[in-house]
Amino acid sequence: EAQVTQNPRYLITVTGKKLTVTCSQNMNHEYMSWYRQDPGLGLRQIYYSMNVEVTDKGDVPEGYKVSRKEKRNFPLILESPSPNQTSLYFCASTTSGFYNEQFFGPGTRLTVL
Amino acid sequence: DQQVKQNSPSLSVQEGRISILNCDYTNSMFDYFLWYKKYPAEGPTFLISISSIKDKNEDGRFTVFLNKSAKHLSLHIVPSQPGDSAVYFCAASIFSGGSNYKLTFGKGTLLTVNP
Repeated sequence: EAQVTQNPRYLITVTGKKLTVTCSQNMNHEYMSWYRQDPGLGLRQIYYSMNVEVTDKGDVPEGYKVSRKEKRNFPLILESPSPNQTSLYFCASTTSGFYNEQFFGPGTRLTVL
Repeated sequence: DQQVKQNSPSLSVQEGRISILNCDYTNSMFDYFLWYKKYPAEGPTFLISISSIKDKNEDGRFTVFLNKSAKHLSLHIVPSQPGDSAVYFCAASIFSGGSNYKLTFGKGTLLTVNP
């Protein structure tokens, strides 16, 4: 089954404790992206990657890091989480080409105390 | 500056009637528009899209209309069903470099279809 998976689905942590949210897709997509969803703000892009070893900032990259060492994986790293990073996070992927939809993972709800 | 706007946070309609969800955009460079549907505790799922070379795209009960001069698009759902109750996000992108990578989303509209 074609899918984007994220782990963990739920996470409660404390300020300053480094964490990683994993994202994996099995569709051989070149492009992957991270979004956060906050009430009243919709979905905002954090980082994206156009292929292995190629990453770039989205609209709200502050406080986040990413890496793309393999095509299927695109982890989101919070080196020193803060309460304002409490949010719902979505990973998405798509293939290159003309007018392709993005496929989203199920989401990771993060709470930073 | 919000480039994609969904001015109605919520919409309530009766089962069997038409649902019309609206979206406005400010960036004239956008050339591809998508609607995503999101249920609670799930990721957004693609619903329907339209490129700027068209003014209408239809897929079953769902039709998207694009008015480029007004920078406005709308999603029509006919007939509406209780299972359509969800948050609907409008998204826009610019086709460049071989793909429409970056999506800019609106804030979403919560549609409730009452039985």
